[in-house]
Amino acid sequence: GAVVSQHPSRVICKSGTSVKIECRSLDFQATTMFWYRQFPKQSLMLMATSNEGSKATYEQGVEKDKFLINHASLTLSTLTVTSAHPEDSSFYICSARDGQGANEKLFFGSGTQLSVL
Amino acid sequence: SQKIEQNSEALNIQEGKTATLTCNYTNYSPAYLQWYRQDPGRGPVFLLLIRENEKEKRKERLKVTFDTTLKQSLFHITASQPADSATYLCALPLSGGYNKLIFGAGTRLAVHP
Repeated sequence: GAVVSQHPSRVICKSGTSVKIECRSLDFQATTMFWYRQFPKQSLMLMATSNEGSKATYEQGVEKDKFLINHASLTLSTLTVTSAHPEDSSFYICSARDGQGANEKLFFGSGTQLSVL
Repeated sequence: SQKIEQNSEALNIQEGKTATLTCNYTNYSPAYLQWYRQDPGRGPVFLLLIRENEKEKRKERLKVTFDTTLKQSLFHITASQPADSATYLCALPLSGGYNKLIFGAGTRLAVHP
């Protein structure tokens, strides 16, 4: 099946710094990728939809200036958490659809655990 | 607003028994419903998709039903094994383009030897 690679898997940073998370589709092209965040024992919450070559669309309540998304190619989307604060500590997961096949199911990256001190 | 409910209580069963997990939704008429498995610290993995015109779908030891009248899906694992222990998530597409998926909070299954 399609593979989505996400890096880093874990990051610890100081408050006020920025953190970049990469999401790559390894064996397929993804015109659209989705970014989720998940708090412990809670549901995945959709943050934004990343579109290749255009601006991301953000869900209600998600600050676009705080969570910068860039989808520069058909295989790479990045999420940058700017000026991170402890409340941004969470599990961030990207996902994509393989546009070549049945396009309803999502392939997920392995997630990034962000801890802001 | 659209809402998905899964039993937040963990489900503990004995190895070899059938596990049944429930997903209920409200204010919604989805064209399909999906089930994912999530292990701790990992991203979800797709298991099954069932469409609104399908009553039941099977894949090996997995079975999913979809009752659009009750607005409910049941997910069954037969002959359960300790390796089936994980959190199982129900997902539905949001309206508005891009086929965005929203997820339930998941039900944690623990299969004991």
